[in-house]
Amino acid sequence: GAGVSQSPSNKVTEKGKDVELRCDPISGHTALYWYRQSLGQGLEFLIYFQGNSAPDKSGLPSDRFSAERTGGSVSTLTIQRTQQEDSAVYLCASSYYSGNEQYFGPGTRLTVT
Amino acid sequence: AQKVTQAQTEISVVEKEDVTLDCVYETRDTTYYLFWYKQPPSGELVFLIRRNSFDEQNEISGRYSWNFQKSTSSFNFTITASQVVDSAVYFCALSEDGSARQLTFGSGTQLTVLP
Repeated sequence: GAGVSQSPSNKVTEKGKDVELRCDPISGHTALYWYRQSLGQGLEFLIYFQGNSAPDKSGLPSDRFSAERTGGSVSTLTIQRTQQEDSAVYLCASSYYSGNEQYFGPGTRLTVT
Repeated sequence: AQKVTQAQTEISVVEKEDVTLDCVYETRDTTYYLFWYKQPPSGELVFLIRRNSFDEQNEISGRYSWNFQKSTSSFNFTITASQVVDSAVYFCALSEDGSARQLTFGSGTQLTVLP
């Protein structure tokens, strides 16, 4: 079946602009995760959604970062007033339920100029 | 706080050699999960294995095997008879609290298999 999809695959934006990154999880998966992969910081957890529960936002690096998950499916990660240090690959993952293995999408490479 | 250490930054082997990737973890929880993921040059993370803290049995899947030892807090990964297609970055990861929510990743080991 279809895996996790993310769009866009690449995004170049100017410093100070807002960006939205989209994630479509595997159908039927109730848990959705966002991670960030950068050269200096490796793979970092950002936020986690499980069903209709309040998301775990403990990994968000600043209040410029936010995420929504509509209808228990598609998720959008928003970064406001982007900074150069936000440049990274943003990875989305989903799992059938919290506790199961996470399946990752191809990522969105964000470059802030 | 949880931590995963992959001390080997880069490893190069010649095809058909066996190679072991080391992973050492730290956690205060008694219930946790350990994972290995592969990230080939294409960039997409591929799930390889999940192991819970109560199951110390070693596992073998084809040319892949995993050695989990709680006494040394290690979860090492061995590829037998390596192939060029095994070239990738391999990440070890840990999830505490028994819920496998957020994963804490190691820094990864870049494996290059030369023909």
